[in-house]
Amino acid sequence: DAGVTQSPTHLIKTRGQQVTLRCSPKSGHDTVSWYQQALGQGPQFIFQYYEEEERQRGNFPDRFSGHQFPNYSSELNVNALLLGDSALYLCASSLAGTIYFGEGSWLTVV
Amino acid sequence: GQQLNQSPQSMFIQEGEDVSMNCTSSSIFNTWLWYKQDPGEGPVLLIALYKAGELTSNGRLTAQFGITRKDSFLNISASIPSDVGIYFCAGQLSGTSYGKLTFGQGTILTVHP
Repeated sequence: DAGVTQSPTHLIKTRGQQVTLRCSPKSGHDTVSWYQQALGQGPQFIFQYYEEEERQRGNFPDRFSGHQFPNYSSELNVNALLLGDSALYLCASSLAGTIYFGEGSWLTVV
Repeated sequence: GQQLNQSPQSMFIQEGEDVSMNCTSSSIFNTWLWYKQDPGEGPVLLIALYKAGELTSNGRLTAQFGITRKDSFLNISASIPSDVGIYFCAGQLSGTSYGKLTFGQGTILTVHP
């Protein structure tokens, strides 16, 4: 049983560009959350998707958007990238219980 | 964004020593969680606490959910080199906020053999 899988693992983008990160939840998990973890900090909640709808949102600008597909997989999109968006982006999935994290996607904005 | 106050920020200990770290919040949480994160990996759940006053063990790890629901601590007994990593506390509310975790800043643990 695969855990939470994320892609790509590393990527480099230029300021102003757009990026899409992808997440496949643990088998059977219907809820997907995204977190941003800056270097030396704890993860910060971006938003959560359930039944293809955004259910909760943290304190992130509208440049951060997402989507959940019928198979529960999810995408995180970030527009107009800033240098400060450089971070590890973590996906977490859950099914009314323990929250499991993927290994993350490292985004560097130059 | 809001973060929990986690201390200490870092610890350097000898193998075999016990370790204690704690987390405090100005807000009440219904669930306290402790995660460990190794370099290049995502956080892995160590212990989950669901009830105020609850004391839970997982091998050499013991964690407690504070009575006020605003704090938690994690103890590691008889540390070994593979305990090295970053430990995070996280709080979670229930209801509509289920699944939204608020994390501490992390405690970096170094164990000298």
